[in-house]
Amino acid sequence: AQSVTQLGSHVSVSEGALVLLRCNYSSSVPPYLFWYVQYPNQGLQLLLKYTTGATLVKGINGFEAEFKKSETSFHLTKPSAHMSDAAEYFCAVITDTGRRALTFGSGTRLQVQP
Amino acid sequence: DAGVIQSPRHEVTEMGQEVTLRCKPISGHDYLFWYRQTMMRGLELLIYFNNNVPIDDSGMPEDRFSAKMPNASFSTLKIQPSEPRDSAVYFCASSAFGQVGNEQYFGPGTRLTVT
Repeated sequence: AQSVTQLGSHVSVSEGALVLLRCNYSSSVPPYLFWYVQYPNQGLQLLLKYTTGATLVKGINGFEAEFKKSETSFHLTKPSAHMSDAAEYFCAVITDTGRRALTFGSGTRLQVQP
Repeated sequence: DAGVIQSPRHEVTEMGQEVTLRCKPISGHDYLFWYRQTMMRGLELLIYFNNNVPIDDSGMPEDRFSAKMPNASFSTLKIQPSEPRDSAVYFCASSAFGQVGNEQYFGPGTRLTVT
């Protein structure tokens, strides 16, 4: 069975501060890992993904994430938060390559304070 | 491309009524997914298709839910009869055949309210 745990349902940062959103997964096989962002009343948009290769992955809007197998983690970071980053962020995983559907974490709502 | 198109964007219906949600995937995509988002259960897969064939419907809640994909450019999710607990946002997503890590593109969702 695969699962994804996002620590912290709400995270609040000041504009310009570091953003760190945590994601841990459980998998007995190498996973495919994703971060999606959801703005209010919109669908989900892919921020970045890890499939194979380099463990530090860069995405859109200045976000990046590092796959750490030893820690079973895929935390999302951004050096300097912007007001427009306020949204809900979902970590997702595929561990069964025969099953293409995503398993999502519970989401983290990011607030950015001026 | 216009992206994944879903209709209607909002649906309000009374308990017991039939509801049909529609999705047009991105042209050329071979996979189509239906997800549901609720406060209690988060985002969860209902069913997905590959080349118009249902591959995994293990997430479909019960017999009241059915999904079809009659051709590569259209899919429906039907709830009959609808119940208040079906109130949720329903997302359709599509992706291209190939690598497992291919991006899934999401539509804007249909917000369903059953009273």
